[in-house]
Amino acid sequence: QKEVEQNSGPLSVPEGAIASLNCTYSDRGSQSFFWYRQYSGKSPELIMFIYSNGDKEDGRFTAQLNKASQYVSLLIRDSQPSDSATYLCAAYNTNAGKSTFGDGTTLTVKP
Amino acid sequence: ETGVTQSPTHLIKTRGQQVTLRCSSQSGHNTVSWYQQALGQGPQFIFQYYREEENGRGNFPPRFSGLQFPNYSSELNVNALELDDSALYLCASSLGGLEARELFFGEGSRLTVL
Repeated sequence: QKEVEQNSGPLSVPEGAIASLNCTYSDRGSQSFFWYRQYSGKSPELIMFIYSNGDKEDGRFTAQLNKASQYVSLLIRDSQPSDSATYLCAAYNTNAGKSTFGDGTTLTVKP
Repeated sequence: ETGVTQSPTHLIKTRGQQVTLRCSSQSGHNTVSWYQQALGQGPQFIFQYYREEENGRGNFPPRFSGLQFPNYSSELNVNALELDDSALYLCASSLGGLEARELFFGEGSRLTVL
């Protein structure tokens, strides 16, 4: 079992819809959680991070964290074709000094 | 603000050779970490350097080694290359040592081992 699990997808949503991306993690020592977007052939870029239970909103993006369930999610509202990419979930363990990534969920937003 | 730069962008080596990859961190960042990303997978943590010392390491053999210099730039060295070392190698800089949070990635060095 991988330390960070994501549905590989592909996830396909119509333009303007809400895309929901999910992630579970096994290391209870993880304190911070990150969502990165990676376009094909490019390097990951940070979308947002969360480290407290609950919701965190940034524009069209909302991250949700439930440490008891070891669950992180990312909602993308009003999805655009430019959101089509692979979304990587990462868990950061401060004591170990490392970020552990899932294998990503590929999202396609259809016009 | 200068972003993270990596070199070379692409390289081809043969099995058994050695390779050195280089990374310049983003201006003001004192922490550099290296990741290996195989096709279709997420980045795998190799190690992290903070103020010239390794302060975190993933499950990679000792033939993967690194350095960080006083200007916070870094090198990744891989000895005795194997076919499975073919991957995209990503350097990421951040601020804060073990408290490092957000990672800012370079464009990567794509290594092919024949």
